[in-house]
Amino acid sequence: GQNIDQPTEMTATEGAIVQINCTYQTSGFNGLFWYQQHAGEAPTFLSYNVLDGLEEKGRFSSFLSRSKGYSYLLLKELQMKDSASYLCAVGGRAAGNKLTFGGGTRVLVKP
Amino acid sequence: GAGVSQSPSNKVTEKGKDVELRCDPISGHTALYWYRQRLGQGLEFLIYFQGNSAPDKSGLPSDRFSAERTGESVSTLTIQRTQQEDSAVYLCASSLSDRAGRAYGYTFGSGTRLTVV
Repeated sequence: GQNIDQPTEMTATEGAIVQINCTYQTSGFNGLFWYQQHAGEAPTFLSYNVLDGLEEKGRFSSFLSRSKGYSYLLLKELQMKDSASYLCAVGGRAAGNKLTFGGGTRVLVKP
Repeated sequence: GAGVSQSPSNKVTEKGKDVELRCDPISGHTALYWYRQRLGQGLEFLIYFQGNSAPDKSGLPSDRFSAERTGESVSTLTIQRTQQEDSAVYLCASSLSDRAGRAYGYTFGSGTRLTVV
């Protein structure tokens, strides 16, 4: 099975940086995804890591360490519109590309 | 279509009634997934389709829940004799499928918000 942990809530100031950590335990690993979900909307894809290291995409970066079962999502130059839930999801090697999601981290950006 | 479409967007039903939720995936996406999201919580896997068959139904919470997919396209999730604990947003997602096992991200629909009163 798979177990994914991430903090429930984080607060940060506009213009600052926030790092959302995700730890996972899995019987098979086939990639780690981060999704953004605004209240009342569908999750949207942010990033995908399958190899160790940092993937940078504009203001958002995602890091993976497979040996530690650890990832983080880094949000830089925070904007008010970044207030949302951020979901960590792990893909397993079982047939079907099923993703198992963590509970999500609610990020509140304050002026 | 251009995206994953779900209908209805909102459904209020009386306890004990049956409901049907519909999902139209992206054309060409052979894999289709149903998830449930209770208020303030993460996504809970329900069922996965590859083509028209469902190799993984492990997340269906009870025998009141069933799903089917036809034409390798539209899927319907049916909840019989609804209970108040079924109230949630039901999200459908589709993805490309790779039999070699590579992971692809999902594209989600906007969900159906089900309220059982």
